[in-house]
Amino acid sequence: SAVISQKPSRDICQRGTSLTIQCQVDSQVTMMFWYRQQPGQSLTLIATANQGSEATYESGFVIDKFPISRPNLTFSTLTVSNMSPEDSSIYLCSVGGASPREQFFGPGTRLTVL
Amino acid sequence: AQTVTQSQPEMSVQEAETVTLSCTYDTSENNYYLFWYKQPPSRQMILVIRQEAYKQQNATENRFSVNFQKAAKSFSLKISDSQLGDTAMYFCAFMKPNSSRVSGSARQLTFGSGTQLTVLP
Repeated sequence: SAVISQKPSRDICQRGTSLTIQCQVDSQVTMMFWYRQQPGQSLTLIATANQGSEATYESGFVIDKFPISRPNLTFSTLTVSNMSPEDSSIYLCSVGGASPREQFFGPGTRLTVL
Repeated sequence: AQTVTQSQPEMSVQEAETVTLSCTYDTSENNYYLFWYKQPPSRQMILVIRQEAYKQQNATENRFSVNFQKAAKSFSLKISDSQLGDTAMYFCAFMKPNSSRVSGSARQLTFGSGTQLTVLP
């Protein structure tokens, strides 16, 4: 199994500012996924981050708002830019194992925008 | 596109009793994977059980089992001998394996809206 850590675990931010969330995995993985979970809602995929190439964004999410970096096979960052209260959510990093049956999640970052 | 539907926003069960959570999905794929995840108040996503679509036998993990009906596109979760620690939000999820041949590649999940299960003492 993969062990995933995220920083920060939670933050309270002001409107108009940006926050960068870090995701660290204890093993090398090709793809890392970023999900958003709005209050009381399910998880929605934001983007898929591949090492060495640009992230692939899902419908409704754009790079200018959620820039992603993937500098190596164990690390990724997601930035939430120009934040508004609607961005208040839990942001989760996820990776897969060697088998399609395996999918692991980080502990999440709880973001509150005032 | 795949969709996953959980029609029960909330459920409750008495401790030691059995409860079944419903999940239906829609896909044109023949090979895929289905999962149940548990999210307790800690917000950590915990894998409960998984099922490969090509397997007819229903998956079981201790007190957790599924009723997988491929033709009906139904994937329900049965929790036996419910415990207070089972109280959590439960999400059904669908995964379509991609065609990548890179080892260790991950696949994206499509989640249902969740069912909040409360186990009553």
